[in-house]
Amino acid sequence: KNQVEQSPQSLIILEGKNCTLQCNYTVSPFSNLRWYKQDTGRGPVSLTIMTFSENTKSNGRYTATLDADTKQSSLHITASQLSDSASYICVVSGGSQGNLIFGKGTKLSVKP
Amino acid sequence: NAGVTQTPKFQVLKTGQSMTLQCAQDMNHNSMYWYRQDPGMGLRLIYYSASEGTTDKGEVPNGYNVSRLNKREFSLRLESAAPSQTSVYFCASSAAPGLAGTYNEQFFGPGTRLTVL
Repeated sequence: KNQVEQSPQSLIILEGKNCTLQCNYTVSPFSNLRWYKQDTGRGPVSLTIMTFSENTKSNGRYTATLDADTKQSSLHITASQLSDSASYICVVSGGSQGNLIFGKGTKLSVKP
Repeated sequence: NAGVTQTPKFQVLKTGQSMTLQCAQDMNHNSMYWYRQDPGMGLRLIYYSASEGTTDKGEVPNGYNVSRLNKREFSLRLESAAPSQTSVYFCASSAAPGLAGTYNEQFFGPGTRLTVL
């Protein structure tokens, strides 16, 4: 079954600290992997999109990595800010119909 | 340039009532999508429209109908609302035709929070 699993479910860090969010997937065939940021009460906003040939992709303080062999991805946030408090959703595109398969998200809280 | 807009933002219905959720995009995108997001679950695709004039079922289409009114607008209708349809509904759009594809980035609206009593 095509699945996307994220860990941890939630995370609390202090402002200025770094953190890493994990995503494991079992989607086959694989097309691409995306990370979205979803602020409370808002729609998801794309951070990065990576194909299987891309190992790393950055968007400001956000860096996503992809290991297509182990089917794992991570999102690293550097020097966190209060505005980083949100849910981060890992999404894999693929499967027999080319659907988007969404993880449940990691809820990040950045405290002053 | 507003991107993807949705109306209403909030709605409360009684079981059995009907309503239509509206979605519009001003990015000249070909494809549009309706998702629902429930607590503790990932977003799930209800229906999508790969291009103007076409609609297809997604993962959870039961109890819903859609209309691709024109290239800009894609509506979702609940004919007889049930408490199980209490959820947050998101509309999204993407430039390239088709469902996901390579680098077919989806842009999401702000959502409609629906409660069915």
